[in-house]
Amino acid sequence: EAGVTQSPTHLIKTRGQQATLRCSPISGHTSVYWYQQALGLGLQFLLWYDEGEERNRGNFPPRFSGRQFPNYSSELNVNALELEDSALYLCASSYGDRGKTGELFFGEGSRLTVL
Amino acid sequence: GDSVTQMEGPVTLSEEAFLTINCTYTATGYPSLFWYVQYPGEGLQLLLKATKADDKGSNKGFEATYRKETTSFHLEKGSVQVSDSAVYFCALKKGATNKLIFGTGTLLAVQP
Repeated sequence: EAGVTQSPTHLIKTRGQQATLRCSPISGHTSVYWYQQALGLGLQFLLWYDEGEERNRGNFPPRFSGRQFPNYSSELNVNALELEDSALYLCASSYGDRGKTGELFFGEGSRLTVL
Repeated sequence: GDSVTQMEGPVTLSEEAFLTINCTYTATGYPSLFWYVQYPGEGLQLLLKATKADDKGSNKGFEATYRKETTSFHLEKGSVQVSDSAVYFCALKKGATNKLIFGTGTLLAVQP
């Protein structure tokens, strides 16, 4: 069974540009979560999507946004990139209700570098 | 606000040594507690969890006990192997939310 897949693996952008990151959940999972892992800061919760709807949002500015498609895959968009947006962005998935148990399945991440 | 604090790494041990990775938390109410592990080149995966005070989570020889009196969830293993080399993350979750709050991670390196 394929795990959570993320693309691209690496992305280099300059300040002010936009970045789009993609995530495909495990087959059968309806919930997708996005986390930011900046150096030395652990994983910071960004967004949670379930059944196509945004269910919860972390303490990030509105230029971080995303969506979930009918096939449950998801996109994370970061507009007006700033240097401090450089980080590893992790996507995780779970079954809709089982996600409430805290068991998430993570991808390997997309590393965004902003120059 | 709610937070998780882990001991800083890297932790370097010889094979068969005893492992402790400290984790303490700050949270109101009664959170659930988790340890996730990230092996080289792989995504994070759930290692073990505990949902209420005095519960012990265990998996693959690792154990952690939910201690509400000391707000701790320390990870232990009696005899580590080279294959245990990874980054370990402590995390908490409250109530019915899906938001996990993670610590900064602890790198464990086990030498043969």
